[in-house]
Amino acid sequence: DSGVTQTPKHLITATGQRVTLRCSPRSGDLSVYWYQQSLDQGLQFLIQYYNGEERAKGNILERFSAQQFPDLHSELNLSSLELGDSALYFCASSRDSHQETQYFGPGTRLLVL
Amino acid sequence: AQTVTQSQPEMSVQEAETVTLSCTYDTSENNYYLFWYKQPPSRQMILVIRQEAYKQQNATENRFSVNFQKAAKSFSLKISDSQLGDTAMYFCAFMNPMGGAQKLVFGQGTRLTINP
Repeated sequence: DSGVTQTPKHLITATGQRVTLRCSPRSGDLSVYWYQQSLDQGLQFLIQYYNGEERAKGNILERFSAQQFPDLHSELNLSSLELGDSALYFCASSRDSHQETQYFGPGTRLLVL
Repeated sequence: AQTVTQSQPEMSVQEAETVTLSCTYDTSENNYYLFWYKQPPSRQMILVIRQEAYKQQNATENRFSVNFQKAAKSFSLKISDSQLGDTAMYFCAFMNPMGGAQKLVFGQGTRLTINP
């Protein structure tokens, strides 16, 4: 158990819908990262937050957004869902952002029908 | 941009054998970190081992060790005395700590099967 929690574990929804994925980092970790794992794109970095502020963006679609709250948990919002958004979404956390190892949550498996 | 390449999509060995997974990367940076993560059928991403580029000594964690060749930009993982529980996808990852994003850049993975 990495100490990073993600809810829900599984999510099935329809095209055009909006969902929210939630992540709680390990105790004391300030940095949160979101990754998407799909069959065709592999593991890709989406976005990073550090202590409540956005630090960097990767290959994140405009339909996707995220935030990190004062208690350091983070949410990833996916809207206008398409079939191609079906993937495993991971949250990872680290103590700070520069040299710490990232520890991954169990992931949320999203299926868009 | 950094890239990570794992040239072995699949590997299979017998239990108790030693197996080496290959990884090469491309970067112009001098200071960076390299990782191996394991993803068993449960899909959890589990850290196996980490290597700092400024350290010449290869990292080891019990049965897992790396061969880090900085000049060749090679970072292979050796699993000794392989066990059935080592069956998983293994991902090599690169991280530049001083870049704008401390993101992990992953290879495509190697599916490792340990046979009884």
